[in-house]
Order: sequence, then C-alpha cells, then structure tokens
Amino acid sequence: KAGVTQTPRYLIKTRGQQVTLSCSPISGHRSVSWYQQTPGQGLQFLFEYFSETQRNKGNFPGRFSGRQFSNSRSEMNVSTLELGDSALYLCASSPGATNEKLFFGSGTQLSVL
Amino acid sequence: EDQVTQSPEALRLQEGESSSLNCSYTVSGLRGLFWYRQDPGKGPEFLFTLYSAGEEKEKERLKATLTKKESFLHITAPKPEDSATYLCAVQVLGTGGFKTIFGAGTRLFVKA
Repeated sequence: KAGVTQTPRYLIKTRGQQVTLSCSPISGHRSVSWYQQTPGQGLQFLFEYFSETQRNKGNFPGRFSGRQFSNSRSEMNVSTLELGDSALYLCASSPGATNEKLFFGSGTQLSVL
Repeated sequence: EDQVTQSPEALRLQEGESSSLNCSYTVSGLRGLFWYRQDPGKGPEFLFTLYSAGEEKEKERLKATLTKKESFLHITAPKPEDSATYLCAVQVLGTGGFKTIFGAGTRLFVKA
C-alpha cells in the first residue's frame, strides 16, 4: 500500500510569490492534516480536512489556506510569501474521523528567498 | 491554552546506556497521547498511543508510560540506530473535532 505522497519535495520561491503544495493520502484515508515544521517551533498545526470539510484550523494568518478534493487529495496554498514561511510542510493522513494515528509524508521543504 | 513540553531538547547516550525522555502536557479534554519517531529528511513515524494514566506500551527497546500530567519514553540499552528525534503529541477536542498538538521533540544521539 502506497504511503502519503507529497509534491514537490523541494521548492524555492521569492518573497511575495504564492505557492501550492500537494498531498495524496493513503488510499482509503479520508482525513488529511497539514503541519509546518521549523527548527525553532517544532510541528505547528495548520488545518485538518475530513470529507472535503475543514474541521480544525491552527493559529496561522489567512495567507495560509487549503482544500480537500472528493478523492481525499489535498492542497495547501500560501500567498504573499514571507521569509518566515521557510519550513518543512508535512501532510498526514488518517483513516477515520478521530485521527488516532497519523501517517506522515516526507514533506515539502519550502525556502523563501 | 493546550501545551506540550518535551525535555531534554537533546540527549547524548553511549550505546547500552539506558535513559528516559519526558513529555509533560497541559490540556483540557485529553483523548490520547502519542509518541512518534522522526529521522532526518522524513516525516514522523508512529510509535505508540496511550489513553489513560497507568497505561504502558512496549516495542523492542522502547517503553512508553503515562501519568495524569506527563509521559515517559524509556529507552533500554539503546543502539546507534535509535538515534532520531522523538516527538510527543496529544489529541484534544477542537471546535470541529479532534486535533493533534505536538511537542518540540527530543533529539537523541546514541554513540557506538
């Protein structure tokens, strides 16, 4: 069974640009969560989707948004990039509605210059 | 505000030298506590789930325990391949459902 797939693996952008990251969950998993990981802050929760609905949202500005499609694939978008947005963005999927066990992808490493 | 604190930030051990990692939490409505392992360049990998005080889980050289305010990950006779970052996380009930909050992690280095 294929794991969680995130694309692209690496991304370099400049300040002010926008970026879209993609996540394909494990087949059959309906919940997708997104996290931002930085050396200083650790994993910070961005948002979580279940059956195309955003159920929870972390404390990030409105520049961060996401969506989930009917096939459970998810995208997150960051507009007007800032230097501080440089981080590893991790996607995790879970089979049910309670997210008891998260399965993570390898992440997208975003560098903002 | 829900918080998860892990200590120490980093731990250096000799092969065979047993030790423990700590995870303390302040949350309302804890549903479960999780331990994950993360290797460089990879996403976290699930290790254990603990639900109630007094519960213990074991896997190879790792043993996780839970009290009402903290959890410990005990590492017995570690090997160099146990070197990784160990993350503690708690699941709480958010406005729209359950959400998982992570601690900053403990970086473990095991020297041969």
